[in-house]
Amino acid sequence: DAGVIQSPRHEVTEMGQEVTLRCKPISGHNSLFWYRQTMMRGLELLIYFNNNVPIDDSGMPEDRFSAKMPNASFSTLKIQPSEPRDSAVYFCASSPQDRGNEKLFFGSGTQLSVL
Amino acid sequence: AQSVTQLDSHVSVSEGTPVLLRCNYSSSYSPSLFWYVQHPNKGLQLLLKYTSAATLVKGINGFEAEFKKSETSFHLTKPSAHMSDAAEYFCVVSGSREYGNKLVFGAGTILRVKS
Repeated sequence: DAGVIQSPRHEVTEMGQEVTLRCKPISGHNSLFWYRQTMMRGLELLIYFNNNVPIDDSGMPEDRFSAKMPNASFSTLKIQPSEPRDSAVYFCASSPQDRGNEKLFFGSGTQLSVL
Repeated sequence: AQSVTQLDSHVSVSEGTPVLLRCNYSSSYSPSLFWYVQHPNKGLQLLLKYTSAATLVKGINGFEAEFKKSETSFHLTKPSAHMSDAAEYFCVVSGSREYGNKLVFGAGTILRVKS
């Protein structure tokens, strides 16, 4: 298995532009998570899905952030409009269990820079 | 609610000497605890986890962690550091289902290994 696949690896954009981050979880995993990592705040959970349904999005910082999981093999995290303070590494992770917090498999992350 | 504190933001050791990365947690119930490692430009990898079984947990790459309830600690150790251990390490506590199964990450400890 190729593991959790995120794209793009790096994204540089200008303030105000729309950014879409993509994630392909490991086949057969029930849960998918989006995390954001910054120097100031460490790793923060943004949202997680179980069986394609958003369970908890309380970590999504603002309405500018949205996430979807149209099917079991694909999820997107969208920021519109983007701001410089959104610059961070965004990780996607998946888990084979519906509790979702036991064994997570992380992607390599997307490094987002908003100028 | 739960929280986790990694007591050192940076640790520097010489190759072949012991490693100690400290972690204290706060939780209102019996937590699950994890250590993750992140190498430069890579995603997060699970090192080990504690889930109320044996208090001494052995992980990959020779790492161990001991759960001490009386001290609310879960320190990560390795008898002999290797150059390849240089990375950032995250201590993580998990929530129960009623808290949305969230993982709470510490701020991370960067381990530097000197030759």
